[in-house]
Amino acid sequence: DAKTTQPPSMDCAEGRAANLPCNHSTISGNEYVYWYRQIHSQGPQYIIHGLKNNETNEMASLIITEDRKSSTLILPHATLRDTAVYYCIVRVVYSGNTPLVFGKGTRLSVIA
Amino acid sequence: GAVVSQHPSRVICKSGTSVKIECRSLDFQATTMFWYRQFPKKSLMLMATSNEGSKATYEQGVEKDKFLINHASLTLSTLTVTSAHPEDSSFYICSARDSFYEQYFGPGTRLTVT
Repeated sequence: DAKTTQPPSMDCAEGRAANLPCNHSTISGNEYVYWYRQIHSQGPQYIIHGLKNNETNEMASLIITEDRKSSTLILPHATLRDTAVYYCIVRVVYSGNTPLVFGKGTRLSVIA
Repeated sequence: GAVVSQHPSRVICKSGTSVKIECRSLDFQATTMFWYRQFPKKSLMLMATSNEGSKATYEQGVEKDKFLINHASLTLSTLTVTSAHPEDSSFYICSARDSFYEQYFGPGTRLTVT
């Protein structure tokens, strides 16, 4: 069963920030929040992950609420190439053979 | 970053034939690889977990005799779809786990069975 809840779809104007929410109210203390995206007909691409602190890299920022029950992925200046399905996944790292389990994700459409 | 390749990227085969898909970790060793399947407009579904030198572990509902997995080295896992049928047409994606337990994904293989 998916441990996260995401809106099925979102639109964003090109050049604007895209804010993608994710609820993970049952997250455990040792579970990280991971974000991947999948552009049509490609394999998933890692974006960012975090435990409890906000994180930023060259692709995006991850904001995790203080109670860790939800998070938001921020693409600061969305481009048409950011159109993809975005997956929020919670997982325990250093957990042996436990694979990433994908939910339905959010289909982000960036509009010119 | 870690790179995972898949070959072929797309394949068309006739019903009843077998198809082999290769998954390679190019710049790291992967004791564990995962195979996923994705139908149109659906999410990735885990098929099996492949461990180097041992038998694969299949998810419930996945036929181990139909989807043969071999993980003979630390950089190569293969998935063979035996006696393929049109309902096996799908997007197959492999993933390799590095020594830090991070997963990296291949670009996928689109299988079409006619």
